[in-house]
Amino acid sequence: DIRMTQSPSSLSASVGDRVTITCRASQIISNFLNWYQQKPGKAPKLLIYAATSLQSGVPSRFSGSGSGTDYTLTISSLQPEDFATYYCQQSYTTQYTFGQGTKVEI
Amino acid sequence: EVELVETGGGLVQPGGSLRLSCAASGFTVSSNFMTWVRQAPGKGLERVSVIYSGGIYYADSVKGRFTISRDNSKNTLYLQMNSLRADDTAVYYCARVGESCSGGSCYSYFQHWGQGTLVTVSS
Repeated sequence: DIRMTQSPSSLSASVGDRVTITCRASQIISNFLNWYQQKPGKAPKLLIYAATSLQSGVPSRFSGSGSGTDYTLTISSLQPEDFATYYCQQSYTTQYTFGQGTKVEI
Repeated sequence: EVELVETGGGLVQPGGSLRLSCAASGFTVSSNFMTWVRQAPGKGLERVSVIYSGGIYYADSVKGRFTISRDNSKNTLYLQMNSLRADDTAVYYCARVGESCSGGSCYSYFQHWGQGTLVTVSS
């Protein structure tokens, strides 16, 4: 089974800050890595797929990077609507394992 | 426009059964990979089941108890849940699996999601 570990579990930031969230897989997943944003009471929303590809309609302040086992989601300038929980997910296997989430708070 | 609407959640006693439905519009369920994902209260996301043209996969935690299926005539995805336990309590989401291919690899992702339906297993 592939395990996904995100860090940090939570972070405090201010509007305009640059925010970085990391995700580590327990084995090489060759860029089969997705990022989602979830707000309270809402379904998750796809942000990034294939490690670096921005989903249509997602603001360009969101970007993804990484390779092998280590991946990063970066928000270049945090906006009020970005306060949410972020999840990584591997799609290397049909398990589609998620990370435990990173809560971005004020 | 793609839309997914889940129904069928509710309160059920341990050992009971429920069938969740996910009505799709804007695309054809039979031509797409589909999945069920759940989220226990205050917890993270767990892929419960995924259905492909060539197979079906289940999380170990639900194998033998849950069954995913689809009705092409109704353009609807289902999740039959039997022998329910307290730890099955969660919001259940259905999602359409998208795919993008480049450089010889095809990358899949959960592209469109429903609003979720709450299943509570309690006596």
